[in-house]
Amino acid sequence: DQQVKQNSPSLSVQEGRISILNCDYTNSMFDYFLWYKKYPAEGPTFLISISSIKDKNEDGRFTVFLNKSAKHLSLHIVPSQPGDSAVYFCAASENYGQNFVFGPGTRLSVLP
Amino acid sequence: KAGVTQTPRYLIKTRGQQVTLSCSPISGHRSVSWYQQTPGQGLQFLFEYFSETQRNKGNFPGRFSGRQFSNSRSEMNVSTLELGDSALYLCASSLMGGTGETQYFGPGTRLLVL
Repeated sequence: DQQVKQNSPSLSVQEGRISILNCDYTNSMFDYFLWYKKYPAEGPTFLISISSIKDKNEDGRFTVFLNKSAKHLSLHIVPSQPGDSAVYFCAASENYGQNFVFGPGTRLSVLP
Repeated sequence: KAGVTQTPRYLIKTRGQQVTLSCSPISGHRSVSWYQQTPGQGLQFLFEYFSETQRNKGNFPGRFSGRQFSNSRSEMNVSTLELGDSALYLCASSLMGGTGETQYFGPGTRLLVL
């Protein structure tokens, strides 16, 4: 049973528009969440994190929103750029940072 | 500062063989975690080592084992390989593996079992 779900395997967005990647989780004990970006043949790269005491965290073009009651988080990328084309993984952990559980990933394609 | 390195980058084995993968963490990082990524799946946690001790373990059979050396370098071993073990194996390091820390990933070792 997947504890972290990313129900959209792929997403295409026009350059300059907003990309919204979604992630749902089932374990209410998760208290720390991360988004990673992964290019082919490379390891995942950390993007942005959020703890359960916050509902929003921003870093440049990237914003993560957390809705604890819905067990849902989303990553917004504004504006989207072709270099953002990659697979995005959301990850969650209990105990604030140990034993991350990853979602299956969403492949984002930003079209020029 | 050099990133996390993994060797080898690619490996082809046959069923029943065993394999050892190596991971060198970022200098100063003491926690090393291993993950398996298969097509269509997310990253699945294998285990975490800290100060030469396995501190956490995921839900994988005993054929998957690991160890960590005094310099924090870690090895992962898979015995009696099965076709389903074909995957990208990623290791990640962090300072202490604790509260709110970010893990930094290596490029992975792609294992193909024939």
